[in-house]
Amino acid sequence: GNSVTQMEGPVTLSEEAFLTINCTYTATGYPSLFWYVQYPGEGLQLLLKATKADDKGSNKGFEATYRKETTSFHLEKGSVQVSDSAVYFCALSDQADNDMRFGAGTRLTVKP
Amino acid sequence: EPEVTQTPSHQVTQMGQEVILRCVPISNHLYFYWYRQILGQKVEFLVSFYNNEISEKSEIFDDQFSVERPDGSNFTLKIRSTKLEDSAMYFCAGKEYSGLLFFGPGTRLTVL
Repeated sequence: GNSVTQMEGPVTLSEEAFLTINCTYTATGYPSLFWYVQYPGEGLQLLLKATKADDKGSNKGFEATYRKETTSFHLEKGSVQVSDSAVYFCALSDQADNDMRFGAGTRLTVKP
Repeated sequence: EPEVTQTPSHQVTQMGQEVILRCVPISNHLYFYWYRQILGQKVEFLVSFYNNEISEKSEIFDDQFSVERPDGSNFTLKIRSTKLEDSAMYFCAGKEYSGLLFFGPGTRLTVL
């Protein structure tokens, strides 16, 4: 079945550091890939998405490229801010599956 | 911009009591979902709902759980006899045609 594996946390960075959170997936079909973010005390918010191979999703300085050859969708940001502190979830949606599969989540803490 | 709403934001109940969690999805969505997140753990799929019936459910969604959409607007999750391990954040979501899920802010359920 479909599944998502993402880098275990927690990740602690200093402000303006470069961020990478790894995500790889297993899917039988042609899934869409997502990154969701959960700020402290809040619900899940879509951060970015990519619906086909080689698509790049981007939002708020975050980027992720859908790589079919490596079955990956790594999240990157060139310069993190304290306000980026949150839990980040990689997710996969396949029309055949009818639900969304989430990774375990990676907690990011950015220190000033 | 339309959004998914959930009530209450926090529900405290005694073990063995019934609870109903309410969601109002975005009106033009057709698929609806409940997910839960036990504190600090991954987001888990519970159930999906389409055309007024359950289309898929996970192992977590046992006979104590039920869902319904009684009036074409509200989408509810009922837990018949709550257990301590039901304490979690419960997220409602709706899916648009593109496959993108929109999540509500969540209901924090605390079972004492």
